[in-house]
Amino acid sequence: GENVEQHPSTLSVQEGDSAVIKCTYSDSASNYFPWYKQELGKRPQLIIDIRSNVGEKKDQRIAVTLNKTAKHFSLHITETQPEDSAVYFCAALGAAGNKLTFGGGTRVLVKP
Amino acid sequence: GAVVSQHPSWVICKSGTSVKIECRSLDFQATTMFWYRQFPKQSLMLMATSNEGSKATYEQGVEKDKFLINHASLTLSTLTVTSAHPEDSSFYICSAEGTGVGQPQHFGDGTRLSIL
Repeated sequence: GENVEQHPSTLSVQEGDSAVIKCTYSDSASNYFPWYKQELGKRPQLIIDIRSNVGEKKDQRIAVTLNKTAKHFSLHITETQPEDSAVYFCAALGAAGNKLTFGGGTRVLVKP
Repeated sequence: GAVVSQHPSWVICKSGTSVKIECRSLDFQATTMFWYRQFPKQSLMLMATSNEGSKATYEQGVEKDKFLINHASLTLSTLTVTSAHPEDSSFYICSAEGTGVGQPQHFGDGTRLSIL
C-alpha cells in the first residue's frame, strides 16, 4: 500500500520567515495530495491541495509543489505568522481507491 | 459548505462500557465516510471506510467486532466502541468525502474518549 514520509517532524521559524515541509510517497499512481493544518485538540483543516496534473499551486501565503517523477511534494508557507503555529499533515490519495494515507506530521512553531 | 459534525466531543466512561460516536455531514450527502484514530502527537490512522448501505471496510489490525460501524443514511455514520477498555482511549475523528469525483475529505471535530 501507499507509504507517506514527512519531514521535518518539528520546525521552528522566526515570524516573517518561510517554512517548508516535504513529503514523499511510494505509490506512483497516487493522484491527489492535500495538506491539512491541525491545531491542538481540533479537527484537521484542509489548507491546500494539488492534483497530479499540476506542478504547483498557490493560495496567498501558502504554496504546494509536486514532483511526480521524484514522488515528492512540498508545502511552502511564506511570511509566517504566530497563528501559523500548528501541526501540518500531508496526505496522498492512491488511484486505486479513496483512502488517504497521512504523513507523520510536522509541528510548526512560529516565534514572534 | 462541506460541514461535518461529530458528537460527542468528549466521553469519559468506565471500562466495559460501549460508546457510540456519531458523524454527520450537515450540508452534503456522503456515500463514504472514514473513521480515524489519533494518539497524542501522532498522525491520523485510518481505522475503516464506512459505505452507505453496505458493510464497512476495516484496515488491517482493526477489530470489526470491537469497532462497529453503521452507515445507515447518506448523512450519518456511527462508530460504536464495544466493551471499551483503557487502551481504547484515544482521539477518534471522522471525515466525509464531498460529492462529486475527487472531492477532498472534510473532518469532524473529533471525539476524545477516555476509559477509566
